[in-house]
Amino acid sequence: AQSVTQLGSHVSVSEGALVLLRCNYSSSVPPYLFWYVQYPNQGLQLLLKYTSAATLVKGINGFEAEFKKSETSFHLTKPSAHMSDAAEYFCAVSGASNSGYALNFGKGTSLLVTP
Amino acid sequence: GAVVSQHPSRVICKSGTSVKIECRSLDFQATTMFWYRQFPKQSLMLMATSNEGSKATYEQGVEKDKFLINHASLTLSTLTVTSAHPEDSSFYICSAPGPGGDTQYFGPGTRLTVL
Repeated sequence: AQSVTQLGSHVSVSEGALVLLRCNYSSSVPPYLFWYVQYPNQGLQLLLKYTSAATLVKGINGFEAEFKKSETSFHLTKPSAHMSDAAEYFCAVSGASNSGYALNFGKGTSLLVTP
Repeated sequence: GAVVSQHPSRVICKSGTSVKIECRSLDFQATTMFWYRQFPKQSLMLMATSNEGSKATYEQGVEKDKFLINHASLTLSTLTVTSAHPEDSSFYICSAPGPGGDTQYFGPGTRLTVL
C-alpha cells in the first residue's frame, strides 16, 4: 500500500519568500509521486510528477520537487512566492504496479501568501 | 491535451432524488476512470474505479447500490447518486489516466448539495 503524509496543514509565506511544502511517502513498491494544486471550487491541476526518472523534477509555475529515497520525501519548493500561488496543495502517490494508477492523497496544505 | 470535463459543475437537489454526474475525457480514450469525493477542507478520497465494459470496483465503505457507476464508452463515465441525502453533499471529482498511463488528469469537479 502507498500513502503520503503532508506536514503542516497551513503554511504562510511572504510574497517573494521561499515556498517549502513537505511531503513524505510510504510505499512497498517504487512510487510515482505527484503534486497537485487546487484553487477554490475547482478541480486539481498537476504541478509536477516523479516517475522514476530524474530525482529533481521541475514543474509548472516555477515549482520543483526533489525525490529523496533515503528520506522518503518529495518536498515541493518555489524560490519566490507570488500572490497567485495561494491555494491548496496536495501530494499524492501511486505504486508503479498499482492497477489503474489510482492516487492516494495527503491531507493537503493550504498555502497563504501575504504581501 | 488530456482534458477531462464534468457535468454539471453544480447541482442542488431535494432529499430522496437521484443525481447523475458525467465525466468525459475530451481528447483521449480512457478504459479506466476514477471517482473521488472531497469534503470541505479535506483531501480527496477514492470512491471507485470505473472500468469500461465491466463492473466498477468500489473502495471499502462505499455503497455500490447508492453510488452507481456506468462506464458507457471509452470517453464517458457516469456516477449516479441514488436517493440522495444531505450527508451526500460533497464535491465529486473524476479523473482519468492520460496517454502514457502514469498521470491522472482531473475534471473540474461537481458540487452536489442535497437539501
